[in-house]
Amino acid sequence: KNQVEQSPQSLIILEGKNCTLQCNYTVSPFSNLRWYKQDTGRGPVSLTIMTFSENTKSNRRYTATLDADTKQSSLHITASQLSDSASYICVVSTASKLTFGTGTRLQVTL
Amino acid sequence: GAGVSQSPSNKVTEKGKDVELRCDPISGHTALYWYRQRLGQGLEFLIYFQGNSAPDKSGLPSDRFSAERTGESVSTLTIQRTQQEDSAVYLCASSFLPAGGIYNEQFFGPGTRLTVL
Repeated sequence: KNQVEQSPQSLIILEGKNCTLQCNYTVSPFSNLRWYKQDTGRGPVSLTIMTFSENTKSNRRYTATLDADTKQSSLHITASQLSDSASYICVVSTASKLTFGTGTRLQVTL
Repeated sequence: GAGVSQSPSNKVTEKGKDVELRCDPISGHTALYWYRQRLGQGLEFLIYFQGNSAPDKSGLPSDRFSAERTGESVSTLTIQRTQQEDSAVYLCASSFLPAGGIYNEQFFGPGTRLTVL
């Protein structure tokens, strides 16, 4: 069964600090992996997308990594800001279907 | 408009009533998806449209749920005889290309928050 597991479920950090969110998956055959940011009351917005051959991809202060051998991905947020408070969702795709993780809820505080 | 729009943004209904939720995808997007997100939970796939046909309805939780798409554009998700467990945010997304492919980025609408009393 295709599954995507994320950890931690929730995280609280101080503004300016860095953090790393984890995603483990068992989706097969693998096509690509995406990280989405979902603000409260809004739909998810794509941050990064990586294929099998890509190990890392950055989007401003967000850096995603992918280890296709161990089927793990991480999302690193640098110098966090209050506006980073949101849920971060890992989504793994086959050619025809997406499997969503349950997300990590991040809260950035002063 | 530039993005996916959904209406209404909020819907409160009584148990047993029927509701219709609307999604207007991005113009030109051939694929359209419906998801359900219960409070504090992840996104749950409901149904996928390619054009006006639905090759994957596997996520619809019961025969009370149905959806249609017309003109390769607007889609309506209908829930009949609503139950309290139907309370959730219903998200719609659209993409230029079909599900899963590398260039298939799904753009999400803001969702409809459904509350069944």
